Amino acid sequence: AQKVTQAQTEISVVEKEDVTLDCVYETRDTTYYLFWYKQPPSGELVFLIRRNSFDEQNEISGRYSWNFQKSTSSFNFTITASQVVDSAVYFCALWLDSSYKLIFGSGTRLLVRP
Amino acid sequence: GAVVSQHPSWVICKSGTSVKIECRSLDFQATTMFWYRQFPKQSLMLMATSNEGSKATYEQGVEKDKFLINHASLTLSTLTVTSAHPEDSSFYICSARMSAVGGYGYTFGSGTRLTVV
Repeated sequence: AQKVTQAQTEISVVEKEDVTLDCVYETRDTTYYLFWYKQPPSGELVFLIRRNSFDEQNEISGRYSWNFQKSTSSFNFTITASQVVDSAVYFCALWLDSSYKLIFGSGTRLLVRP
Repeated sequence: GAVVSQHPSWVICKSGTSVKIECRSLDFQATTMFWYRQFPKQSLMLMATSNEGSKATYEQGVEKDKFLINHASLTLSTLTVTSAHPEDSSFYICSARMSAVGGYGYTFGSGTRLTVV
C-alpha cells in the first residue's frame, strides 16, 4: 500500500523557534519521489522540494532543511528561526511511477506566533 | 518556469447549475493533467487523471457523470461540475505534468474555490 502520514495535525511555535514537520511514507516501489508543498491561506500550492528515492543527501535551502532517511521511510522538514510568514499548511507527498499518482499526506498546519 | 493557469479562482453558483473550471499550461505541453478536490482543513484528494485526447480516469468514488473532464488539447483541461449541490462546495485544484519522467515537471494551478448556494 502507498501512504503518506503526517502525524502532526497542528503545530504552534513562537517566532524564531525551530520547528520540524514529520513525514513518514509507505511504498514497496524502489523508485519514487518525495515532495513538500506549502499551502498558504490563499490556497495555492507552493513547491518546496523534490527528492528521488536514490538521493538520500540532506538538503538545505536558506532556513529550510530536509532530512531523508530511507531506513525509517521518513522525509522530515525543518524550518530554522521560524517567521510569521511561514504560517501555512505543509503537505508531504509521494509520487510513484507504478501508480502514476501523487499521494498527499493529511498536512500539518503550522502557526508561527509573533 | 512551467506555469499552470487555473480559472476562475473562485465562483459562487446556485444549486442545480453547472460550473466549468479551466486549467491551462501556459508555456509547455501537458500530456497529463490531474484534478484534485480539497475540503476545508483536509488534504488534497485526487479526483481524476486526464490524458490529452482520451477519456479521463476517475478515482474510486468520484462520479464520472457529475464531474466531467475534458482534455481536448495539450494545453487545456476542463472540469465541469454538473448540477452542482452545496456538498460540492470545495477547493478544486489542477496540476499538469510536462514530462513522462517520473516525478518531474509537476506544476499546480492556483485553485478554484467553488461555493454552491
